[in-house]
Amino acid sequence: AQSVSQHNHHVILSEAASLELGCNYSYGGTVNLFWYVQYPGQHLQLLLKYFSGDPLVKGIKGFEAEFIKSKFSFNLRKPSVQWSDTAEYFCAVNYGGSQGNLIFGKGTKLSVKP
Amino acid sequence: DSGVTQTPKHLITATGQRVTLRCSPRSGDLSVYWYQQSLDQGLQFLIQYYNGEERAKGNILERFSAQQFPDLHSELNLSSLELGDSALYFCASSVAGTSGLNEQFFGPGTRLTVL
Repeated sequence: AQSVSQHNHHVILSEAASLELGCNYSYGGTVNLFWYVQYPGQHLQLLLKYFSGDPLVKGIKGFEAEFIKSKFSFNLRKPSVQWSDTAEYFCAVNYGGSQGNLIFGKGTKLSVKP
Repeated sequence: DSGVTQTPKHLITATGQRVTLRCSPRSGDLSVYWYQQSLDQGLQFLIQYYNGEERAKGNILERFSAQQFPDLHSELNLSSLELGDSALYFCASSVAGTSGLNEQFFGPGTRLTVL
């Protein structure tokens, strides 16, 4: 079955620390990959996406992600986090074909201490 | 603001009741998706409509149904409600109905509480 795994349930960092959130997906051929962020009390917002081309993708707010096809991974990174990055982060995969729906990971809650 | 609107914002109802959630997609978007977010199940895809027709079905219960109207707004109907249906229901929209350049924009959600 198609599935997306996010390894960390809750990550706590101090400001200026580097961040890496893991995301792995089950094999399914061609995939489109997304990271969404949900700030407290708000809706999901797109951070970045990968469809094809350069596997290193840059998104908003200094975030980037690297698609490693051989590892079925799409990890999210940020060199230096800020208190305002406190949120929940969701990795999502579209498995292609005629359907456009997304399969989401369970999410990783990030808490940044000032 | 994503451009996707959902009403109502909050809904409190009793077991056995029926409710309707409404979603208006971004201008120009033809696809509407419904997702359910709960603490135990996370974000689960329910159903997708594209230009008025059902395109894909996910983990949607038989007690739930949806439709997309000619003006492209969509409604999600939940009936015979149970305590376990309490969740945040998100609507998303995209231009396309298929994979590829299918970035989805999410609405603010409707929080349903079943007592």
